[in-house]
Amino acid sequence: GNSVTQMEGPVTLSEEAFLTINCTYTATGYPSLFWYVQYPGEGLQLLLKATKADDKGSNKGFEATYRKETTSFHLEKGSVQVSDSAVYFCALNPLRGTYKYIFGTGTRLKVLA
Amino acid sequence: DAGVTQSPTHLIKTRGQQVTLRCSPKSGHDTVSWYQQALGQGPQFIFQYYEEEERQRGNFPDRFSGHQFPNYSSELNVNALLLGDSALYLCASSLWRGEQETQYFGPGTRLLVL
Repeated sequence: GNSVTQMEGPVTLSEEAFLTINCTYTATGYPSLFWYVQYPGEGLQLLLKATKADDKGSNKGFEATYRKETTSFHLEKGSVQVSDSAVYFCALNPLRGTYKYIFGTGTRLKVLA
Repeated sequence: DAGVTQSPTHLIKTRGQQVTLRCSPKSGHDTVSWYQQALGQGPQFIFQYYEEEERQRGNFPDRFSGHQFPNYSSELNVNALLLGDSALYLCASSLWRGEQETQYFGPGTRLLVL
């Protein structure tokens, strides 16, 4: 079946540190991959996406590369800020255009000033 | 351009009651999906509506039902509420078979079942 596995949190970093949040997936076919962010008390906001192998999604300093050979979509940011503190969700869409997303359990990031 | 809106923001019910949650999709979108997010978990797909019909369904019992109206807005109904139904319910909108592969989420309705 299809599934997403994320590293457990919380991840605690100092401001300006380098961030990596690991995400691996299991899927049949060629899924699209996404990172969403959820701030306290809010819904999900799309952070970035990649729809085919070797695509790199990027937004607001965050990046992730769709690696089919390792079935991974790790999220990275070179220098985190306190305002990046949130829960980050990796997700896949198993079949293009269907939007039946499968989410990981989320990784909480805390950035300290 | 209004994004996805949901109402109410919070709701408290007791076991056995029924609840209706509402969602208006982003302007121009015609497909609405509903997700349940339990505390500390990722969202789980409940079902999806397009052209006023349920198109896909996740692993949820028949107590969960929905509707889509001609203006694309949608309702989620849950009957015979259980304590385990307490969660954040998220609505997401998209364009059916859209090329952008992007689904936009609303702020959610937080349901507490006592």
